[in-house]
Amino acid sequence: GENVEQHPSTLSVQEGDSAVIKCTYSDSASNYFPWYKQELGKGPQLIIDIRSNVGEKKDQRIAVTLNKTAKHFSLHITETQPEDSAVYFCAATLSGSARQLTFGSGTQLTVLP
Amino acid sequence: EADIYQTPRYLVIGTGKKITLECSQTMGHDKMYWYQQDPGMELHLIHYSYGVNSTEKGDLSSESTVSRIRTEHFPLTLESARPSHTSQYLCASSDESGTLYQETQYFGPGTRLLVL
Repeated sequence: GENVEQHPSTLSVQEGDSAVIKCTYSDSASNYFPWYKQELGKGPQLIIDIRSNVGEKKDQRIAVTLNKTAKHFSLHITETQPEDSAVYFCAATLSGSARQLTFGSGTQLTVLP
Repeated sequence: EADIYQTPRYLVIGTGKKITLECSQTMGHDKMYWYQQDPGMELHLIHYSYGVNSTEKGDLSSESTVSRIRTEHFPLTLESARPSHTSQYLCASSDESGTLYQETQYFGPGTRLLVL
């Protein structure tokens, strides 16, 4: 089955700096890679996703890149703000299959004012 | 904002008690999931359902049971709670019918369980 590794487990950045979280996956058949943000006291919420037919996707200050050959994908947050502080999860699956999402272990991002 | 609800939000209970964690969604989603989340953040899938009368065990072995009698409702039951069941429990749903790319999982706010 799929295995997703996520690094780092904790990340502290100064407000205004960029943050990068990286994930690797094991199953080359996986083609759907979402990112979730979990704020304190809430459930995870989807913030961005990417499919294997594209290499990069942007939505305002967040972007995700995918390298299918190396089987890794990354979340980039630019101009970080205190409200970006949360736990971020990457995930992978094969779209349209019966496979469940496999989540990474999470990254606690802290944006220091 | 996803329409998926969990009750109670917090529960403190003694060892040996039977408990049921409620999860309801109003989106008509066929697939529903229960995750257990460690204090260390990692999400572990413990149960899922593809639709009414369908339930499957997830990757992490759990002493809990689930039922899916109605599309919108996916309760989780612990027959005899133990301190080792102390955790956060997250319910989610998704809709993969029709359009190919509908794997987005919508999560509820979670139930934080403490068994004394």
